[in-house]
Amino acid sequence: KAGVTQTPRYLIKTRGQQVTLSCSPISGHRSVSWYQQTPGQGLQFLFEYFSETQRNKGNFPGRFSGRQFSNSRSEMNVSTLELGDSALYLCASSLAGVKGEVVAGELFFGEGSRLTVL
Amino acid sequence: DAKTTQPTSMDCAEGRAANLPCNHSTISGNEYVYWYRQIHSQGPQYIIHGLKNNETNEMASLIITEDRKSSTLILPHATLRDTAVYYCIVRVYPGGKLIFGQGTELSVKP
Repeated sequence: KAGVTQTPRYLIKTRGQQVTLSCSPISGHRSVSWYQQTPGQGLQFLFEYFSETQRNKGNFPGRFSGRQFSNSRSEMNVSTLELGDSALYLCASSLAGVKGEVVAGELFFGEGSRLTVL
Repeated sequence: DAKTTQPTSMDCAEGRAANLPCNHSTISGNEYVYWYRQIHSQGPQYIIHGLKNNETNEMASLIITEDRKSSTLILPHATLRDTAVYYCIVRVYPGGKLIFGQGTELSVKP
């Protein structure tokens, strides 16, 4: 069973640009969440999607957005990049009930996309 | 959101049990305690979770106090490959987002 796949693994952008990161969850997993990891702030929750709907959002500016497709794949976008956006962006997938209810199981994380903003 | 408190770092001798404590004094009745670990530059890896009973799997054991205000993750026979940052997390309902603290950096030494 394939794990969570994130692309690209590494990328370099310059300030002001925008970036799109992709996440393919484990087959059958319908909930996808995104996290940002920086040395200073640690792991921080960005947002969570289920059934193409964002149902939870962390404390990040509107420059950070995401979406989920009907096949549960997800993308996140960061516009107008700033130096402080340099981070490891992690995607995690999990099982969810028929109505999207949380299943008391684990989140499976991908290896992350490492973004460097110059 | 219930928060957790963990020691910043710990050392453990290879082959010995590693006991990692976590305080979560504001945990709510329907919130689970989760443990993850992150080996350098990799995505976090799930270890174990529990509600109020002690739990054991092939990786570790989780001991939760009766009042649920603290817990201990036990790696019974630590190896060098267990060197990682260990995160104790209380899972928030609804939505299930994980609130990570700073974690405990465990160093297993020969």
